[in-house]
Order: sequence, then C-alpha cells, then structure tokens
Amino acid sequence: TQLLEQSPQFLSIQEGENLTVYCNSSSVFSSLQWYRQEPGEGPVLLVTVVTGGEVKKLKRLTFQFGDARKDSSLHITAAQPGDTGLYLCAGAFGFGNEKLTFGTGTRLTIIP
Amino acid sequence: EPEVTQTPSHQVTQMGQEVILRCVPISNHLYFYWYRQILGQKVEFLVSFYNNEISEKSEIFDDQFSVERPDGSNFTLKIRSTKLEDSAMYFCASSPYRAGGLAKNIQYFGAGTRLSVL
Repeated sequence: TQLLEQSPQFLSIQEGENLTVYCNSSSVFSSLQWYRQEPGEGPVLLVTVVTGGEVKKLKRLTFQFGDARKDSSLHITAAQPGDTGLYLCAGAFGFGNEKLTFGTGTRLTIIP
Repeated sequence: EPEVTQTPSHQVTQMGQEVILRCVPISNHLYFYWYRQILGQKVEFLVSFYNNEISEKSEIFDDQFSVERPDGSNFTLKIRSTKLEDSAMYFCASSPYRAGGLAKNIQYFGAGTRLSVL
C-alpha cells in the first residue's frame, strides 16, 4: 500500500510570510497533483508534475517535484488570507489512468 | 469552463435504503472515478471505470456498491443497502487522457454529494 505523508498537518502564519508544505512517499510517483479543497467542496486541481526535478509556478505558488519522484513541495510566497484552505497532494503510482492516492492534507490559515 | 457535476449535493437516507449518486463527467473524458471522504479523513479511492467496465476497485467497493454509465453522459454510484459507516462525501472525477509514458493522469473532481445515513 502506497502512502503519502503531508507535513505539516496544520500551519497558521501571518499575511505576507512565506511557507512551504511537503508531500512525501517511500514509493516513486508516476505523476503527482496538488489540489486545494474548501469546506464542503471537491478538490480543485492546482498543478500536475510529472518529471523528476520539475518546477512549476502558479502566481505566488511554486511546486517542485523531487529528483527521485518520491516527494514534492508547495511554496507560497507572501501568503494572503485568500490562500487559506486545505492543500492536498495526490499521487499516481502507475503509468496509466490509475487511481490517485491522497495525502492527509495541510490545513493552512493565513492571519490578516 | 467544463466541470464535473454531481447531484444531489446532499442526500439523507435511512439505514438499509438504496441510494443512487449521480455524476455528469466532463464531455469527451474517457475515465471516470468515484472517491469518498469520511469527515475529517483523507480522500479514498472507490472505483475507476473505462470503456463501460470497472478498471479497478478498492476493498471498500464491495458487493453493496455498483457503478453504471447508463446513457453515455451520466455516471452513477449505487449503494444497495446503506450502512451508517457509508456516511461521507462522495466525489466523482473524470480524466480526459489515456495516460502512458509521460502523459498526465489528470483527474477533475466534482463538488461532491454529502451522504448522511441515519
């Protein structure tokens, strides 16, 4: 059974600060996706990373895929209250259209 | 922007009753999935569906569960005799790709159906 560990589970920081959250597995991902989930809603796709070492930017969000494709990070620069939410990583471990295995999430709170 | 649509948003049922959760995947997508999320827990895979048959299912997806794509647009999840522990958010997802090599297994999720079993 492949597991994804996300850390930290909870993070509360002041507006304007930078932060990084992590997603780790002992297994190699074929691809990894980051989602954001609001209470009572479904996960909304932020980004997909596929290649080891890949870096993708989405405005103030920077996503990095580890060289060995076993880990990923999400870095937010100058956090804003609108960034508050649950951030989920989800990995695929095969090269077809297999299920996604989700992490437990990082609940981020940005304090104005 | 195309989206996955799920109905109803909230379903309340008595234990032992049958429920059908409905999903309209994004048009032209090929792969369809059901996931569930028990309150406070992580999203768990239930089943994937391609070419009118189940591709993969988890151990959660037992004989009480079934899926169907009855008319080429809807994708349904049926629970025959609901149990208290079936209470959860159920998410439908769809993917456009027949992934392979470096192709991406991108899945788009609906807003979910909250199932409450009393």
